[in-house]
Amino acid sequence: SQTIHQWPATLVQPVGSPLSLECTVEGTSNPNLYWYRQAAGRGLQLLFYSVGIGQISSEVPQNLSASRPQDRQFILSSKKILLSDSGFYLCACQRRPGLVNNEQFFGPGTRLTVL
Amino acid sequence: RKEVEQDPGPFNVPEGATVAFNCTYSNSASQSFFWYRQDCRKEPKLLMSVYSSGNEDGRFTAQLNRASQYISLLIRDSKLSDSATYLCVVNRQGNLIFGKGTKLSVKP
Repeated sequence: SQTIHQWPATLVQPVGSPLSLECTVEGTSNPNLYWYRQAAGRGLQLLFYSVGIGQISSEVPQNLSASRPQDRQFILSSKKILLSDSGFYLCACQRRPGLVNNEQFFGPGTRLTVL
Repeated sequence: RKEVEQDPGPFNVPEGATVAFNCTYSNSASQSFFWYRQDCRKEPKLLMSVYSSGNEDGRFTAQLNRASQYISLLIRDSKLSDSATYLCVVNRQGNLIFGKGTKLSVKP
């Protein structure tokens, strides 16, 4: 079964600073990868997903970007973060292809506080 | 209408109680359905996939009604350790759409 690593676990950064969150996956190959954000008291919001190296789809226009330089590596970045970027960032992995009950499995998350 | 809607909660129940969570979804083309559990400040974890015939796993029973676009989760004999937020999830064209969740608190 797959294992998802995320780092850092927690992050406190000032407004306007750059951001880089990393996610790596073990135990599977060619997965779909996802970045979600969960703001305090709110549901999970899909930010980006990727079906392969260099392939990124954005769900929500914002100051964040994502990259997938390797099959099992997914990076979330920003050049300048906003107060509204505070939240719990979760990376998820979904096995392929086309299984009907194709669940997603989550990493432990990164909790970001923007001051 | 939101794509996935859940009971607002929170549900506060005594140990041993039976509790039911309801969820409705708006996209009739949705193919697969799940219940996830999320503990405070932790990542969501898959609790159950929901099959068209309904399925049971120990104290947990999930049911799907495609005609009504309705999913349910029943927890029997609640334990203190069942306290968490339960997320209803619908697969929409390969991407998962999460409900906001219902918080369950089981008291001694």
